[in-house]
Amino acid sequence: QMTQSPSSVSASVGDRVTITCRASQGSGSWFAWYQQKPGEAPKLLIYGASSLQSGVPSRFSGSGSGTDFTLTISSLQPEDFATYYCQQAGSFPLTFGGGTKVEIK
Amino acid sequence: QVQLVESGGGVVQPGGSLRLSCAGSGFSFSSYAMHWVRQAPGKGLEWVSLISHDGNEQYYADSVRGRFSISRDNSRNMLHMQMNSLTTEDTALYYCARGMGDSKPRSRYFEDWGQGTLVTVSS
Repeated sequence: QMTQSPSSVSASVGDRVTITCRASQGSGSWFAWYQQKPGEAPKLLIYGASSLQSGVPSRFSGSGSGTDFTLTISSLQPEDFATYYCQQAGSFPLTFGGGTKVEIK
Repeated sequence: QVQLVESGGGVVQPGGSLRLSCAGSGFSFSSYAMHWVRQAPGKGLEWVSLISHDGNEQYYADSVRGRFSISRDNSRNMLHMQMNSLTTEDTALYYCARGMGDSKPRSRYFEDWGQGTLVTVSS
């Protein structure tokens, strides 16, 4: 079970945005974050809780271990408005959070 | 570059069956674990199944275990999902996704995705 919050957030370009995820059981650092834009497949942003996937801008960062994880966008850009999902990879079944929609303020 | 192309979706009646396929190219298909992930209309992501690089290990979500069967043909760079006893709850866009290699935990992250194939279960 993954509890992701907030479910939506309104923010402006340049804002710092933080999304959190809590797992019902510990997954070590086996944790990932994805970005999905409307009509598109998800895109891997962060894996291993804090490792930036190749090609992903450095304004994205991840932290946490055990049961509590955070995705931070340091300075929101127009192309970052999307829905973000967390995912635990520590045990089967693999599970996603419910998603956080980042909207334009 | 990595390409994953799903096919086989369509409209099926409750209780019916469907076989999804995913063609992989641009990478060494036999070296990577592969997944199916689905997304119901307007909803979030749900992992469905994983198969190891050699096909010897398969894992399933509780919601599909016993009804769905994942398989692969490494000689043809193809991934398949046989779906039986379909219900309206299975209506979703089904994505094929490549794991980040075949060793855990990297195999459990979804590095590349196809565009999905839509399955609609309706009478």
